[in-house]
Amino acid sequence: SYVLTQPPSVSVAPGKTARITCGGNNIGSKSVHWYQQKPGQAPVLVIYYDSDRPSGIPERFSGSNSGNTATLTISRVEAGDEADYYCQVWDSSSDHLWVFGGGTKLTVL
Amino acid sequence: EVQLVESGGGLVKPGGSLRLSCAASGFTFSSYSMNWVRQAPGKGLEWVSSISSSSSYIYYADSVKGRFTISRDNAKNSLYLQMNSLRAEDTAVYYCARGPTAGAEYFQHWGQGTLVTVSS
Repeated sequence: SYVLTQPPSVSVAPGKTARITCGGNNIGSKSVHWYQQKPGQAPVLVIYYDSDRPSGIPERFSGSNSGNTATLTISRVEAGDEADYYCQVWDSSSDHLWVFGGGTKLTVL
Repeated sequence: EVQLVESGGGLVKPGGSLRLSCAASGFTFSSYSMNWVRQAPGKGLEWVSSISSSSSYIYYADSVKGRFTISRDNAKNSLYLQMNSLRAEDTAVYYCARGPTAGAEYFQHWGQGTLVTVSS
C-alpha cells in the first residue's frame, strides 16, 4: 500500500516560516491534501489539490508538490497555528483508498 | 451549513458489537458519498470505510474488512457503521466525513467524532 512519511515534529518561532513535508513514492503524480487538527477538535482542511485553499483559510497557508515530496508552508507563523498537520492522498491501488501521513506536530516556540 | 453529528460510541468488551450513527444536515445527503475516519488515542488519522450516494459502491480498509459494515438511510439523512468482533486496536474516535463533491478525493466536512473504547 502507498505510504506517506511526515516528520513527527517541526518547531518554528512566531513570525517565521514553517515547512512541513510529506514524502511518498512519486507523490508529485498525485493530488495532496492537508489537514490541521488542534487538540480535542476534528481535523480542518487547509489545503486541497496540492495548493488550493478553502474559503476561510488564511493566505499564509500554501502548498506545493513535486517529485517525491509535498510541502505545506505556513508563513508568518502565529501561536494559533500550533497543531497537528496531516497530509493525505487518494490511491486506488492501496488497501486504504484514502491514505494519511502519520502527522506532524507543529510547535510555535 | 453542513453539520455532521456522530453518536453511538461507548465502552464495549473485546468481541462485542457497536453501531455508530451520523446525522447529517445542511445539504442534500443523498447526493454525496460518505465516509468514516478514525483516530486512535494519540495516533494519526485512518480512513475506515466509504459508501457512495446510492450505496452502490462500498469500500473498507483491510483492517476492518469482514468485521465492519457501512450503510446509509437517505430518507433519514443518516450514515451508520456496524462494528462487530471488536478488538482493542479498534479503540478510537470515529469521525463521519464528507467530501466537497459526490466522489471527492478529500474530506471537506467532519463531525466532532464519537469515542469507541474496546476494553475488558
